[in-house]
Amino acid sequence: AQKVTQAQTEISVVEKEDVTLDCVYETRDTTYYLFWYKQPPSGELVFLIRRNSFDEQNEISGRYSWNFQKSTSSFNFTITASQVVDSAVYFCALSEAGYNTNAGKSTFGDGTTLTVKP
Amino acid sequence: GAVVSQHPSRVICKSGTSVKIECRSLDFQATTMFWYRQFPKQSLMLMATSNEGSKATYEQGVEKDKFLINHASLTLSTLTVTSAHPEDSSFYICSAAYGYTFGSGTRLTVV
Repeated sequence: AQKVTQAQTEISVVEKEDVTLDCVYETRDTTYYLFWYKQPPSGELVFLIRRNSFDEQNEISGRYSWNFQKSTSSFNFTITASQVVDSAVYFCALSEAGYNTNAGKSTFGDGTTLTVKP
Repeated sequence: GAVVSQHPSRVICKSGTSVKIECRSLDFQATTMFWYRQFPKQSLMLMATSNEGSKATYEQGVEKDKFLINHASLTLSTLTVTSAHPEDSSFYICSAAYGYTFGSGTRLTVV
């Protein structure tokens, strides 16, 4: 069975601080995808990134960066110079890949509520 | 990229009535779609897997007679919450297996 653990339930920072959201996953699959989503108070899921299991390159997109370490089954997300608009719930998710019937099925972590104070 | 359109975004209904939620794949054919439910301040949990032309597969604990899923075409999957009750109030969201794309979600409030 797949499992995603986001140990940090809530994080509160002051604007301009850097913050890292942790994500640890468990899977027996060799091919899978990892995701981060942002869910603002309005409720919709905003896609942030998808990373496949064969690509361990770290990625940076503006103030966002992701560190994927297969050896520790972690896919951490860092926001640099946080802003009030970053306040939201962030979900890490794991999806089966390949051509089996479960491909695309996602397992979500419990989410981390980030509050950025001005 | 793959886009999934979900409607309505919000719905309020009276207890005992039924509500239908639609998910359409706009620029691709979605053979398989997944339906998730999110209770307030909780994570998203998979409810069922919808396959075009066949019966949906429900996760343990999900009442298939209450949550009717129809996937009659390659571009449309619907979730009908029958005889809705306040405890069914939740955020429902679909995703397409292709492209790992999510709809924008439907917030259902049963009063």
